[in-house]
Amino acid sequence: QSALTQPPSASGSPGQSVTISCTGTSSDVGGYNYVSWYQQHPGKAPKLMIYEVSKRPSGVPDRFSGSKSGNTASLTVSGLQAEDEADYYCCSCAGSNNLVFGGGTKLTVL
Amino acid sequence: EVQLVESGGGLVQPGGSPRLSCAASGFTFSSYWMSWVRQAPGKGLEWVANIKQDGSEKYYVDSVKGRFTISRDNAKNSLYLQMNSLRAEDTAVYYCARGGQQQLGHWGQGTLVTVSS
Repeated sequence: QSALTQPPSASGSPGQSVTISCTGTSSDVGGYNYVSWYQQHPGKAPKLMIYEVSKRPSGVPDRFSGSKSGNTASLTVSGLQAEDEADYYCCSCAGSNNLVFGGGTKLTVL
Repeated sequence: EVQLVESGGGLVQPGGSPRLSCAASGFTFSSYWMSWVRQAPGKGLEWVANIKQDGSEKYYVDSVKGRFTISRDNAKNSLYLQMNSLRAEDTAVYYCARGGQQQLGHWGQGTLVTVSS
């Protein structure tokens, strides 16, 4: 149950696109299409942004998209806006209904 | 509107045994897997445990196996986490979340458990 690997930080200017990676193994990210992404603003609860690799819950802007290749999943935020500045966490099923999170990425909008 | 409200946190001595509760409303509680996720101060998210709709299956992160017990009461629309033999490293905000391995679609506001003498 080792944490998934995310870059500690990412940044972009308003209007730009930024991609956050999430690397696991064949026992988690690579083995299941149950990768989800969560946005967390300071002092707030996490919010689901992407589930099952690339699906968006209702209400999440289509500027947020997800993908996966092998053992690495990615979250792309297009058309960056100030309110996108937050911590982002990936999460994957790791077998036997266990879940594992990434260490989190702090996204800064310059 | 889906609402999840945690309670039961506070200052606990090492070795203590608090029980966290999560009151659910706005959805059919008995139809969903439920999970507990924690976040140590200034750290990332860590999945703790989840439970099937009827309580027949329960899963735990290795670090809490044998110490924590997840349970639910569908008649009361409530989720619980019995925490035993608490250690300093269990200090965290504990979130209740709706869902299991596929997604955690809704989260409560969290309850802080501080383990300290």
